[in-house]
Amino acid sequence: DSGVTQTPKHLITATGQRVTLRCSPRSGDLSVYWYQQSLDQGLQFLIQYYNGEERAKGNILERFSAQQFPDLHSELNLSSLELGDSALYFCASSVDGHNEKLFFGSGTQLSVL
Amino acid sequence: AQTVTQSQPEMSVQEAETVTLSCTYDTSENNYYLFWYKQPPSRQMILVIRQEAYKQQNATENRFSVNFQKAAKSFSLKISDSQLGDTAMYFCAFSGLDKLVFGAGTILRVKS
Repeated sequence: DSGVTQTPKHLITATGQRVTLRCSPRSGDLSVYWYQQSLDQGLQFLIQYYNGEERAKGNILERFSAQQFPDLHSELNLSSLELGDSALYFCASSVDGHNEKLFFGSGTQLSVL
Repeated sequence: AQTVTQSQPEMSVQEAETVTLSCTYDTSENNYYLFWYKQPPSRQMILVIRQEAYKQQNATENRFSVNFQKAAKSFSLKISDSQLGDTAMYFCAFSGLDKLVFGAGTILRVKS
C-alpha cells in the first residue's frame, strides 16, 4: 500500500458528462501529481500541485481542471467527456514536489460510453 | 523535450533465469534521475529502482540492477532469478528539471 488513496476505483459514465476524481496524498506529502494512462497515449503527465499551488502543467486538456485543497487532497475534474477520455487516471504524491520519489495510488478507471 | 524509448514491446523469460529490459532516453540536461517502474496486473505503479545521473555506480535492489551508460543515454534493467511475480509491464522513466516522462513500457512474462 503506497499510502495514496484514490476514489472511486471505477467510474462509468456517458459522453458529455462531468466527473470528479479524488486523491488523498500520503501523510506529510505536499505535492500531488495527476497522470493519464491510455492504450494509445501511454502514461501522460497532466498536472502537478504543490501545497495548494499549481507547479507544473503537462498535456492536460482545457476540458480538464484540477485543484489542491488546504488539507492537501486533490480533485481532477473532467467535463464534456468523450469516448477518448476513457483511461486509467493515476494520482501520485511526493514530499517536496520533486520527482525523485513518487508514490502512486491505485488509479481510477474511467469508462466513457 | 525529453523522450524515453523502450524498444521491446514484449519479452518472456523462464523462471529462475535472467532477463534484461532496454531503455534509451534523450535529454540535454546533465542532472537527472532515471527510474524503472513495475505495473503488475493489479495496475498499481511500483517503483523498482532509481538511478541518479551524477552517480557512476549502477543502482542495485536485490534481484534488480541497472546498467547506466550516461554517454550512450542508455538505462537497462536486469532481473536475476526471475520469479512468476515479476510478470508485469515495466516502464522506464526520466525526471529532469520538470515532469516525469515515461516510456511506452515492456510487457514481461515469466514462464514456469
